[in-house]
Amino acid sequence: NAGVTQTPKFQVLKTGQSMTLQCAQDMNHNSMYWYRQDPGMGLRLIYYSASEGTTDKGEVPNGYNVSRLNKREFSLRLESAAPSQTSVYFCASTQHGSYTEAFFGQGTRLTVV
Amino acid sequence: GENVEQHPSTLSVQEGDSAVIKCTYSDSASNYFPWYKQELGKRPQLIIDIRSNVGEKKDQRIAVTLNKTAKHFSLHITETQPEDSAVYFCAALGERDDKIIFGKGTRLHILP
Repeated sequence: NAGVTQTPKFQVLKTGQSMTLQCAQDMNHNSMYWYRQDPGMGLRLIYYSASEGTTDKGEVPNGYNVSRLNKREFSLRLESAAPSQTSVYFCASTQHGSYTEAFFGQGTRLTVV
Repeated sequence: GENVEQHPSTLSVQEGDSAVIKCTYSDSASNYFPWYKQELGKRPQLIIDIRSNVGEKKDQRIAVTLNKTAKHFSLHITETQPEDSAVYFCAALGERDDKIIFGKGTRLHILP
């Protein structure tokens, strides 16, 4: 099994450009998450989805939108990228209510210039 | 919402000594507390977790303790080895929603 797969792995954007980060999991998990990781700030929750068709804001949702396309896929969109969104982005998934391991994707390193 | 504080931000210990990382959480409804290890350039991976109905859990050289009254939980690594050098994150998850909130991480250095 592939687990959690994110694309792309690296991306450079110009300020104002838009892009979508893709995430897919093959573990039949119902909960999926997007985090950003910045030096000294840990993993901050952007948005999460407890099940297909539902999404909720996390700690730092401003400037982002998400789509839970189906049970497998959860995408993160930057409509107008800003330098403050330069970060490493991680997607994760787990089984809602089971209190078991959250599996992470390999991360996307995004630079906005 | 939930807030997780983690200390220290950096920790250096001699190889063979013990390391302790501490976390506090704010939401009394949180009932699951995992710990993740992230090696340089890699994704976070679960190393141990504890549920609110348990006070302590051990797995070889690592252990986690939980004090629900004080809303504290800690990671203990004994007989540290060079491969323990990494960033460690604590986290909390509650029943009310499905948010997993992480602390800011502790960079652990094992000194030779």
